[in-house]
Amino acid sequence: EAQVTQNPRYLITVTGKKLTVTCSQNMNHEYMSWYRQDPGLGLRQIYYSMNVEVTDKGDVPEGYKVSRKEKRNFPLILESPSPNQTSLYFCASSLSFGTGGTQYFGPGTRLTVL
Amino acid sequence: AQSVAQPEDQVNVAEGNPLTVKCTYSVSGNPYLFWYVQYPNRGLQFLLKYITGDNLVKGSYGFEAEFNKSQTSFHLKKPSALVSDSALYFCAVWGAAGNKLTFGGGTRVLVKP
Repeated sequence: EAQVTQNPRYLITVTGKKLTVTCSQNMNHEYMSWYRQDPGLGLRQIYYSMNVEVTDKGDVPEGYKVSRKEKRNFPLILESPSPNQTSLYFCASSLSFGTGGTQYFGPGTRLTVL
Repeated sequence: AQSVAQPEDQVNVAEGNPLTVKCTYSVSGNPYLFWYVQYPNRGLQFLLKYITGDNLVKGSYGFEAEFNKSQTSFHLKKPSALVSDSALYFCAVWGAAGNKLTFGGGTRVLVKP
């Protein structure tokens, strides 16, 4: 089944404790992206990747890191989480970018930083 | 910079009545427009998109949307709403010169029996 998977689905952590949220897609998509969803703000892009070893900042990149060593994986890293990073996070992928390709979303990771 | 506005935080409609969720956008160049739906505790599901061609786009679950270039709008519609359509709906735009999808703030739809 074609899908985007994220792990963990739920995470409660404390300020400053490094964490990684994994994202994997099995559709051989080139473009991958991370978003955070906050009430009333919709989804805001954190980082995106156009292909392996190619990443760039989105609208709200502060406090986050990403890497794209393999085409299928695009982990999101919070080196020193803070309470304002408490949010619902989504990973997404699409076949390509710039051509209106449909993005497919993972199930989401709900992160709480105490 | 591109942007999307969904002017209604919530839309209430009786089952069987028409449903409309409004969306306006701002983008340089030709837009690619999308509607996604989010059910409770789920990820976003693609409903439909406009790339080019016919201004009326038909999508999943009986939804359709009309692209209006002069009004820069892309309203989502369904002729007869179901209780199961209750969810959070997001409009999004991808600018032809850009490299990201910009979302509106979302509209919660509540369909009452």
